[in-house]
Amino acid sequence: QVQLVQSGAEVKKPGSSVRVSCKTSGDTFDTYAFSWVRQAPGQGLEWMGRIVPLLDVVTSAQSFQDRVTITADKPTNTTYMELRRLRPDDTAVYYCARRGRDGPFDSWGQGTLVIVSS
Amino acid sequence: EVVLTQSPGTLSLSPGERATLSCRASQSITRNYIAWYQQTPGQAPRVLFYGASTRATGIPDRFSGGGSGTDFTLTISSLEPEDSAIYYCHHYSSSPTFGGGTRVEIK
Repeated sequence: QVQLVQSGAEVKKPGSSVRVSCKTSGDTFDTYAFSWVRQAPGQGLEWMGRIVPLLDVVTSAQSFQDRVTITADKPTNTTYMELRRLRPDDTAVYYCARRGRDGPFDSWGQGTLVIVSS
Repeated sequence: EVVLTQSPGTLSLSPGERATLSCRASQSITRNYIAWYQQTPGQAPRVLFYGASTRATGIPDRFSGGGSGTDFTLTISSLEPEDSAIYYCHHYSSSPTFGGGTRVEIK
């Protein structure tokens, strides 16, 4: 059974960067697409971007395009999301999610809380 | 980008009652690429349905999904206390989007 395990909570200053990792186990890695989705406190879900490790193809949501970098390390079955120039409104839980064969996000990481505060 | 509008914002119902959640898309959805997720406090979302009406593994049959075009629904035929959650619809396309969510409260 696939499992996505994310790195731990972070507290960052405005203007800095954060990198969150997501390690996959229990299934093949590189043939799936992995997305990053964030959820601000008390708010809904916001898609940030995705990577297909096999092709090293990355697609980012327009609202994050100049601030987010998504990468994958195939030997360790890990995907990373780096968000730069952090602002207080980037405070959120960040999830990685795997797009299943049928299309929806069928497996999710446990979430990583990122707090941006001076 | 497809905008998904969910209604109502909150449903407050008693156990055993029927809940009907709506998800309206700003344009017609091809191939019914709509999924529904359930999220309980402190947890990641869990997929309930994909393809608008295909139930994911392990989802009880009191849940049903339907719709096409621009209008989709999630129905819970007889609410259980554990159904208290926020439910999101999701258009899984090359540019994925989520609805704003419907909170279901059990009285």
